[in-house]
Amino acid sequence: NAGVTQTPKFQVLKTGQSMTLQCAQDMNHNSMYWYRQDPGMGLRLIYYSASEGTTDKGEVPNGYNVSRLNKREFSLRLESAAPSQTSVYFCASSEFKGTYGYTFGSGTRLTVV
Amino acid sequence: RKEVEQDPGPFNVPEGATVAFNCTYSNSASQSFFWYRQDCRKEPKLLMSVYSSGNEDGRFTAQLNRASQYISLLIRDSKLSDSATYLCVEISNDYKLSFGAGTTVTVRA
Repeated sequence: NAGVTQTPKFQVLKTGQSMTLQCAQDMNHNSMYWYRQDPGMGLRLIYYSASEGTTDKGEVPNGYNVSRLNKREFSLRLESAAPSQTSVYFCASSEFKGTYGYTFGSGTRLTVV
Repeated sequence: RKEVEQDPGPFNVPEGATVAFNCTYSNSASQSFFWYRQDCRKEPKLLMSVYSSGNEDGRFTAQLNRASQYISLLIRDSKLSDSATYLCVEISNDYKLSFGAGTTVTVRA
C-alpha cells in the first residue's frame, strides 16, 4: 500500500523557471492538501481540495496553482519560481475532512537559485 | 499571534527518562488536536489524537487542558528511537489543520 506518493523528491530550479509537483494517493481519500515547510515556521497550507472538482486557497497561495486531476491526483504548479519558494513541499490526503488526521507524502525538496 | 505555539526545545534527555512538553492554542472553540512525529528530513506521521481530556498509547500520554488552552505530550521510559520533532496540530471548526513549528526531542544513550 503506497499511501501518498510525491514526485520528484528533489529539484533545483533557476529563478523564473516553472515546474509541477505531482502527488497521488491510493487510499480513496476525498481531500488532498499541499503544504510547505520552512525552518521555524511549521507547515503552512498552500492549497487544498476538499473533494474532486474543488480547490481552495490556503494560508500561502501566492505564486502557486493547483489542479485536482481526479480523485487520486493533486498537482502543484510553480509558474515562475522565486528564491522565496525554496522549501520542502508535502502533499497530504485525508478522509472525513481530516478528522482522523492526514497522511503525508515523503516530500519534495525544492531549491530555487 | 500564531494559532499553535510550541517550545522548540531541544529537550535533551537520557534513555529511560520521562520528558514532557506543551503546546498552546489560541482558538478556545477548537475541539480536537493531534500529535505528529517528524524524523529528520522525513514526512510527519500521526502519533496520536487528542479529542477529549486526553489519550494514552503505550509510553505516550497526551492531555488536553481546555481552561488554559494547552495540550501536552509526555513520553515515559524514553528510547533512542523517540528522538524526533513532535508537531502539535489543531483542527479548526472548518476542519483545517494548523501546525505548530515543533518541539525537538533528543534521547541520548
